[in-house]
Amino acid sequence: DAMVIQNPRYQVTQFGKPVTLSCSQTLNHNVMYWYQQKSSQAPKLLFHYYDKDFNNEADTPDNFQSRRPNTSFCFLDIRSPGLGDAAMYLCATMGRGISSYNEQFFGPGTRLTVL
Amino acid sequence: AQTVTQSQPEMSVQEAETVTLSCTYDTSESDYYLFWYKQPPSRQMILVIRQEAYKQQNATENRFSVNFQKAAKSFSLKISDSQLGDAAMYFCAYRSARETSGSRLTFGEGTQLTVNP
Repeated sequence: DAMVIQNPRYQVTQFGKPVTLSCSQTLNHNVMYWYQQKSSQAPKLLFHYYDKDFNNEADTPDNFQSRRPNTSFCFLDIRSPGLGDAAMYLCATMGRGISSYNEQFFGPGTRLTVL
Repeated sequence: AQTVTQSQPEMSVQEAETVTLSCTYDTSESDYYLFWYKQPPSRQMILVIRQEAYKQQNATENRFSVNFQKAAKSFSLKISDSQLGDAAMYFCAYRSARETSGSRLTFGEGTQLTVNP
């Protein structure tokens, strides 16, 4: 089945130790998103790629970076995780056409713990 | 900027009964899309139902239907014949149809639905 895959599902890192979360998709969607979701809150968009074009949200900290080497893969890099970065990180994709009816497809998320 | 408000942090319903989740939004745009997403305890977000703003007819997907009131900027979700598997956090979301919007979703705060057997 076509899907959005996130690895790992659970990630533990130490305060200040860089960490990378990965997302892959078999949907061949051109738009990919990274969201941060804290407990019982709505997802908060960090950034997204439209093809290779990177779009950062104005309030996304510099500590968060992203890479998209090809259509299928997208990475979230947290350069120096702080305790406040502990959260669920959701990857989502959307098919071609911003002005379309298309839905976003979400991955299962990676739960990040910062010790 | 658009905002989405879900005024019911928690709701509960008896199995087989009907429940309505409320959502209001604020926008100056005339063309947009509205969505209800469900996030079960396993945390994978899935789409429940969607509505295009220019369509007057309310969307329906099996036991799920919406009451879309464009003038009132209201988009409620009705779940009929509630099942235990409907228990989840439900998010209402807005997306602009404008190309320059970046296709980002604006989410409401969520409503935690409990289904009692």
